[in-house]
Amino acid sequence: NAGVTQTPKFRVLKTGQSMTLLCAQDMNHEYMYWYRQDPGMGLRLIHYSVGEGTTAKGEVPDGYNVSRLKKQNFLLGLESAAPSQTSVYFCASSPYIKGPYGYTFGSGTRLTVV
Amino acid sequence: GESVGLHLPTLSVQEGDNSIINCAYSNSASDYFIWYKQESGKGPQFIIDIRSNMDKRQGQRVTVLLNKTVKHLSLQIAATQPGDSAVYFCAENPYGGATNKLIFGTGTLLAVQP
Repeated sequence: NAGVTQTPKFRVLKTGQSMTLLCAQDMNHEYMYWYRQDPGMGLRLIHYSVGEGTTAKGEVPDGYNVSRLKKQNFLLGLESAAPSQTSVYFCASSPYIKGPYGYTFGSGTRLTVV
Repeated sequence: GESVGLHLPTLSVQEGDNSIINCAYSNSASDYFIWYKQESGKGPQFIIDIRSNMDKRQGQRVTVLLNKTVKHLSLQIAATQPGDSAVYFCAENPYGGATNKLIFGTGTLLAVQP
């Protein structure tokens, strides 16, 4: 009963490098989300998906790409990392927005871009 | 993690006292609200939710109050314990049934003094 699993948990990148963050959920949820969390700014939505094969932009999508090839996985890519992308990234999933328990979040990925 | 708490409003309470955490939401069309708890180094965790057709909802040691007139949400924690120390976020769904995106507040740090 893993819930939402994010890998890796920590990463340090050099400016210009690329990487992919993986989110996997085992709850058969339709909807998945990527958020970033910066001090004093709360959670901001990067991209989200309402089902397998679908993606959509959130509040702060620039510099990120996503893919949802399988229902259980939602990948977040940084093609050319910048120091402004230093943040804690959270993935979440939900069956639907107004049901009980809201979103289920992963434990986060702390990314530092130097 | 611990950096989430920097620059956040802080509520300091004595163990055993009741805590009240407030949140002002932005959109009068929002019809669903959730409170989350985030402990240091972890992802947000669901506490309680409420729909806009309700004014109050109670859980175990927690109560959420909704005042739609002034767009205000509050979370009351009874007999606050050291384990309640965390950052608390409110979230709203301002989109009705059209999408499943939540908008999060910036959070309040609850510090419980023994």
